[in-house]
Amino acid sequence: AQSVAQPEDQVNVAEGNPLTVKCTYSVSGNPYLFWYVQYPNRGLQFLLKYITGDNLVKGSYGFEAEFNKSQTSFHLKKPSALVSDSALYFCAVRDISGGYNKLIFGAGTRLAVHP
Amino acid sequence: GAVVSQHPSWVICKSGTSVKIECRSLDFQATTMFWYRQFPKQSLMLMATSNEGSKATYEQGVEKDKFLINHASLTLSTLTVTSAHPEDSSFYICSAREQPGPRSYEQYFGPGTRLTVT
Repeated sequence: AQSVAQPEDQVNVAEGNPLTVKCTYSVSGNPYLFWYVQYPNRGLQFLLKYITGDNLVKGSYGFEAEFNKSQTSFHLKKPSALVSDSALYFCAVRDISGGYNKLIFGAGTRLAVHP
Repeated sequence: GAVVSQHPSWVICKSGTSVKIECRSLDFQATTMFWYRQFPKQSLMLMATSNEGSKATYEQGVEKDKFLINHASLTLSTLTVTSAHPEDSSFYICSAREQPGPRSYEQYFGPGTRLTVT
């Protein structure tokens, strides 16, 4: 079965410092990987995706993610964190088993950026 | 583009009553819609997948008679929580996927509906 793991419940970083939110995956076949962000009491906002092509994917709000096949990872990164980046981040993988095109989400990582 | 709305954004109901939540794709046609449930500080749990014009497919452990899903058109899906109880209180989020095409693997999420059952 397809799955993603986000090993950190929370990541703390100072404003202006680089941030990394980790995600590892387990899939059969080629992975379709996604990052979403959720602000309090809001739905999910799409940040970026990896389908094929360059391993470094650039997304919204200055975020990027690096696909690493050998390490089965898709870590989310940003060179310089903002306080407004504080939110809940979800990694997800596409699951097409059973004939349905679903998303399987990780447990989420809470990012706290402090001034 | 690719906007999904939900209505209501929050609802409070009494135990034993039923509540309907609407999910609409505003600027695209959604062959498939998904309903998720999220508990505080937890991840999204997929409840069911609905395809326009057919019965929904429920995930294991989700009571289909309690959570009624209807996807009557390409822009509207509804989730009805029947005979609601306090344990049904949660944040319900829908998402929609466009008709088959180059972006058919992407899901667009609604803003969520906060249900509180008293």
